[in-house]
Amino acid sequence: QVQLLESGGGVVQPGRSLRLSCAASGFTFSSYAMHWVRQAPGKGLEWVAVISDDGSRTHYADSVTGRFTISRDNSKSTFYLQLNSLGAEDMAIYYCAREGPGDNWSMLDYWGQGTLVTVSS
Amino acid sequence: QSALTQPASVSGSPGQSITISCTGTSSDVGGYNYVSWYQQHPGKVPKLMIYDVTERPAGVANRFSGSKSGNTASLTISGLQAEDEADYYCCSFTSTSTFVFGTGTQVTVL
Repeated sequence: QVQLLESGGGVVQPGRSLRLSCAASGFTFSSYAMHWVRQAPGKGLEWVAVISDDGSRTHYADSVTGRFTISRDNSKSTFYLQLNSLGAEDMAIYYCAREGPGDNWSMLDYWGQGTLVTVSS
Repeated sequence: QSALTQPASVSGSPGQSITISCTGTSSDVGGYNYVSWYQQHPGKVPKLMIYDVTERPAGVANRFSGSKSGNTASLTISGLQAEDEADYYCCSFTSTSTFVFGTGTQVTVL
């Protein structure tokens, strides 16, 4: 069965960096685009970034462009989110999610359990 | 990338039907048939309920249905059940190859 397991969350000081990982299993990882989505405490879902199946295309929400970088290692069935210059507005649960099958990007069909990023001095 | 607009809350009695709207622009909802809906119970992971405007993933009850007209998509829950009480979010692909979620709707079963 499809499984996505995030790691790397924790407490970080403002202005510092963090790298999140999402390990995938149960499907052919290299055939799927992958997403990061975040949810601040008590708030709604916010889409963060997507990476294509081969890693050649990446797209970001305006709120993180220039600070966050999404990447993947298909040999390890893992993808990543590098978070730089973190601020209070970045404090959230970060979910990794799989894009649905097919060539068009249209849905997030499987989600991980999430990893919490806390920004605090 | 402004969030899609959803009503903050919708309520209904068991057995009734409710509809949640999701309003965007011609650059997202109106421009593509790539609207999806997610259900999230408190403290739980979001679950895909509808994709490509009208399609239901395997395992999702046929009480859930989706539609779209112009820049507004809708999720209808027919025969409302207590277990449907949750937050619901729409999501759309956009003209810049990004995605945008809706503001979220809290569904209450009276």
